[in-house]
Amino acid sequence: EDKVVQSPLSLVVHEGDTVTLNCSYEVTNFRSLLWYKQEKKAPTFLFMLTSSGIEKKSGRLSSILDKKELFSILNITATQTGDSAVYLCAVEIINTGTASKLTFGTGTRLQVML
Amino acid sequence: SQTIHQWPATLVQPVGSPLSLECTVEGTSNPNLYWYRQAAGRGLQLLFYSIGIDQISSEVPQNLSASRPQDRQFILSSKKLLLSDSGFYLCAWSILRVRDFSYEQYFGPGTRLTVT
Repeated sequence: EDKVVQSPLSLVVHEGDTVTLNCSYEVTNFRSLLWYKQEKKAPTFLFMLTSSGIEKKSGRLSSILDKKELFSILNITATQTGDSAVYLCAVEIINTGTASKLTFGTGTRLQVML
Repeated sequence: SQTIHQWPATLVQPVGSPLSLECTVEGTSNPNLYWYRQAAGRGLQLLFYSIGIDQISSEVPQNLSASRPQDRQFILSSKKLLLSDSGFYLCAWSILRVRDFSYEQYFGPGTRLTVT
């Protein structure tokens, strides 16, 4: 059975701190790993990672994938209260001949305090 | 640009009543479409996906069904709701990203369903 595990489940930090969120996976037919940010409603896309060792960056957020050890990390530097959200990791599985599918982790709830 | 709509935004229904949630996508053709449910404190669970009109795949056994009567319309239904059907229902779409032959999924605003 395909599995995506995120840690920690929740995290409380102060503004300005740096946080690292973890995502490990065990899936067949891996294609890519995606990170989403979910505030009150729908998840919004952050990153898609397909190759090991290549860091993706967007402002204060960055992410990297290790396909050998089957994990990814999401880093947020100089956190702000607006970073408070649930961060979801999902793995895209190759599904030959049909739509690709995502398997999601349960998410890490990040709360950034003033 | 592409947009995805879901309605209603919130819904309170009694046990045993029927359900119909609608999702439409604009600005793209022949998208893959997905229905997810997110129960409180849990991750997103894929319920159904569709690669084309009237082509539906079910991921988990349940009392829900899905239909795709038009290319950009995806409907989630139930004849009789259960308490366990409560949750946050998200519709998503994706298309093939040619540069790496992969898919990104984009989510609609969601419907929060409470079954009482």
